[in-house]
Amino acid sequence: SQTIHQWPATLVQPVGSPLSLECTVEGTSNPNLYWYRQAAGRGLQLLFYSVGIGQISSEVPQNLSASRPQDRQFILSSKKLLLSDSGFYLCAWKLIGGDAGELFFGEGSRLTVL
Amino acid sequence: AQTVTQSQPEMSVQEAETVTLSCTYDTSENNYYLFWYKQPPSRQMILVIRQEAYKQQNATENRFSVNFQKAAKSFSLKISDSQLGDTAMYFCAFMKGNAGNMLTFGGGTRLMVKP
Repeated sequence: SQTIHQWPATLVQPVGSPLSLECTVEGTSNPNLYWYRQAAGRGLQLLFYSVGIGQISSEVPQNLSASRPQDRQFILSSKKLLLSDSGFYLCAWKLIGGDAGELFFGEGSRLTVL
Repeated sequence: AQTVTQSQPEMSVQEAETVTLSCTYDTSENNYYLFWYKQPPSRQMILVIRQEAYKQQNATENRFSVNFQKAAKSFSLKISDSQLGDTAMYFCAFMKGNAGNMLTFGGGTRLMVKP
């Protein structure tokens, strides 16, 4: 069966520090991968998605970047965090050819920037 | 661009009763999908129910059903016989038919089921 791992679960970082959130999917090949951010009291905002190694699309301009160095690894990064980067970050994957719109989400990473 | 609106930030219901969560959306597309996702406290978000816009019949999954009103662009979720495990954030989501599985989510409704 497929599983998705996301870490760290909780992170407190000072403004201006770097960020690296990692997401790994197991049990499948060539999934679509996504990074979402969930701000308090708001819905999920799509940040990045990837359809293959090295292929990254950004949905909104921001202080963050994403990379996909391996088929089942998706990394969210920042060189210098801003206060506005605080939030709950969710990684998700989608089986190509699977049921439309069915994303499988990780447990999330809560980032607090102080 | 599509928008999804959930007008009820919080709701509560007594165990075993029925509750309806509202969702409206705005789109000019004719081919699309609608979804309800559930995010339990400290647990992973999961898909609850899916509706294809071209289907007139409302989707049903056990105690969960939807009322899809295409002309009104309304997509409400009804939970029957509410259980304590239904306590969660519920997100309504929209996807264009050829959008590569990119979903637009509403702001969510926090549902509390009371014993």
